[in-house]
Amino acid sequence: GIQVEQSPPDLILQEGANSTLRCNFSDSVNNLQWFHQNPWGQLINLFYIPSGTKQNGRLSATTVATERYSLLYISSSQTTDSGVYFCAVIETGANNLFFGTGTRLTVIP
Amino acid sequence: GAGVSQSPRYKVAKRGQDVALRCDPISGHVSLFWYQQALGQGPEFLTYFQNEAQLDKSGLPSDRFFAERPEGSVSTLKIQRTQQEDSAVYLCASSQRGVHMGTNEQFFGPGTRLTVL
Repeated sequence: GIQVEQSPPDLILQEGANSTLRCNFSDSVNNLQWFHQNPWGQLINLFYIPSGTKQNGRLSATTVATERYSLLYISSSQTTDSGVYFCAVIETGANNLFFGTGTRLTVIP
Repeated sequence: GAGVSQSPRYKVAKRGQDVALRCDPISGHVSLFWYQQALGQGPEFLTYFQNEAQLDKSGLPSDRFFAERPEGSVSTLKIQRTQQEDSAVYLCASSQRGVHMGTNEQFFGPGTRLTVL
């Protein structure tokens, strides 16, 4: 099956700093989503981005499908950005999302 | 409703009891998915419905797990004779269209945290 690797596994930032999270996947996909799982466990949709670049406020994401990776950029981080960030993909021909192992982000004031 | 809802939010069961977890998808969403999330891990796929048809149940861990969506909207995940290893958060997600037609972005509910004693 498809492999999804996220890096780094853990990240600690000072409030106001910028960061880049990476997601590598092993096969072609027809869906890639970035989620933020908050401390209460809710998975919040950040981006639906099987290819290209999108921006939403302080967050932006880029997926290069031909090279099988996606990047999530967080600028001017805030304490409310803390939590686990998941990349998830749907392999071409499959139905379900397959999740990476996540990046745990802690933003300290 | 505006989003996916799940009930109950928390469930404590004694080993051997049967439990039923409910999911209300976003109105009009054709596809519905169940995932299981163990502590410290990412969600893992259990089963998938398109309308009332269960098209994929390859992720169900044992025959004690059963899911249904009889009218193509609300879904129930049932676990019979619960075991301690069933303790996890059970997440439901829905997407607007059939998986192979158009955008297949999935939206998740808040989950049901199941603890089996």
